Amino acid sequence: EAGVAQSPRYKIIEKRQSVAFWCNPISGHATLYWYQQILGQGPKLLIQFQNNGVVDDSQLPKDRFSAERLKGVDSTLKIQPAKLEDSAVYLCASSLVAEKLFFGSGTQLSVL
Amino acid sequence: GDSVTQMEGPVTLSEEAFLTINCTYTATGYPSLFWYVQYPGEGLQLLLKATKADDKGSNKGFEATYRKETTSFHLEKGSVQVSDSAVYFCALSEGGATNKLIFGTGTLLAVQP
Repeated sequence: EAGVAQSPRYKIIEKRQSVAFWCNPISGHATLYWYQQILGQGPKLLIQFQNNGVVDDSQLPKDRFSAERLKGVDSTLKIQPAKLEDSAVYLCASSLVAEKLFFGSGTQLSVL
Repeated sequence: GDSVTQMEGPVTLSEEAFLTINCTYTATGYPSLFWYVQYPGEGLQLLLKATKADDKGSNKGFEATYRKETTSFHLEKGSVQVSDSAVYFCALSEGGATNKLIFGTGTLLAVQP
């Protein structure tokens, strides 16, 4: 079974630039999550989709972050403009059964 | 709000040593509790879980018991192997509409041969 795919693996940008991350969940998983993991902290949920509808985006900084999940499959997370404090690993996860999440390897973002 | 506190790492052990990684939680209701593991270069994966008080989750020789009276969910293994070297995350979920997971900061375990 293929896992959760994310790209790119690494990204380095300057502050005020924009960046986008892509996620392809496990086939058939209706729920998709984006987490932010800042160095030394645990993952923090940014947004959760059920199919292509948003279930929870309460911790998404909506002035600069946006996410979409077209056709209930792939998803993209965008940051525009980026700030230094956005440096983190961005994790995508999907699930079929509640609470059993499968995570991708993440995208490590460095904002200079 | 809900939160999870884990012991800081790194934890360095010799092969076949006994492992304990402490985890305590704060929650308003009756959460489900989890341990996730992240092996080097891989994504987080569910190791074990417990959904109610006194439940014991177990997998791959690891165990954790849901202790409501001490609000704890400590991870234990009787004899660790080099292949257990990873980062271990304790997490809780209050359930509800989103089943949102709240993670601790993670504990790095390094097992030496």
